Amino acid sequence: DAGVIQSPRHEVTEMGQEVTLRCKPISGHDYLFWYRQTMMRGLELLIYFNNNVPIDDSGMPEDRFSAKMPNASFSTLKIQPSEPRDSAVYFCASSLSQFGHEQYFGPGTRLTVT
Amino acid sequence: AQSVTQLGSHVSVSEGALVLLRCNYSSSVPPYLFWYVQYPNQGLQLLLKYTSAATLVKGINGFEAEFKKSETSFHLTKPSAHMSDAAEYFCAVIKANNNDMRFGAGTRLTVKP
Repeated sequence: DAGVIQSPRHEVTEMGQEVTLRCKPISGHDYLFWYRQTMMRGLELLIYFNNNVPIDDSGMPEDRFSAKMPNASFSTLKIQPSEPRDSAVYFCASSLSQFGHEQYFGPGTRLTVT
Repeated sequence: AQSVTQLGSHVSVSEGALVLLRCNYSSSVPPYLFWYVQYPNQGLQLLLKYTSAATLVKGINGFEAEFKKSETSFHLTKPSAHMSDAAEYFCAVIKANNNDMRFGAGTRLTVKP
């Protein structure tokens, strides 16, 4: 298996622009997670899906952030409009449905908003 | 809510020395515990996990961790550090009845030659 795939790997954009991050989970995994990693706040869970349905989005910082999972093999995290404080590395992870199963992480998207 | 605390944001050891990275958890129910490693510019990679089958868990790259319920700890050790072990290490916990994983703040391991 190719593992969790994220694109793009790097994104540089100007403040106010829309940013879309993409994720393809491991085939057969029922759960998909979006995380944000910064030096100041560490690794933060933003939202997670089970069988394409959002389960907990309490970590989404504000209405500028939205996430979708239209099918079992694709998810997007959108920021509109972007701000410099959104600069971070965004990770997608997936796992099987059994309780306590480990999560498999993608390589991340490094977002820089100028 | 469950959480983990990693003691020491930075640990430095000499090559060949013992590695000890500390993790304490709080959970109202028996947890699942994990250690992940993150190399520069990469995602997190699973080192090992505890799922109540055995208290001493062996992982990849010579790492192991021991679950101690009485101390609510899950410290990560490696007998002899290698230069390639330099990375950031994260302890994580999942409660036994969901998939919501909570990560510690991470410990950056430096290995001196």
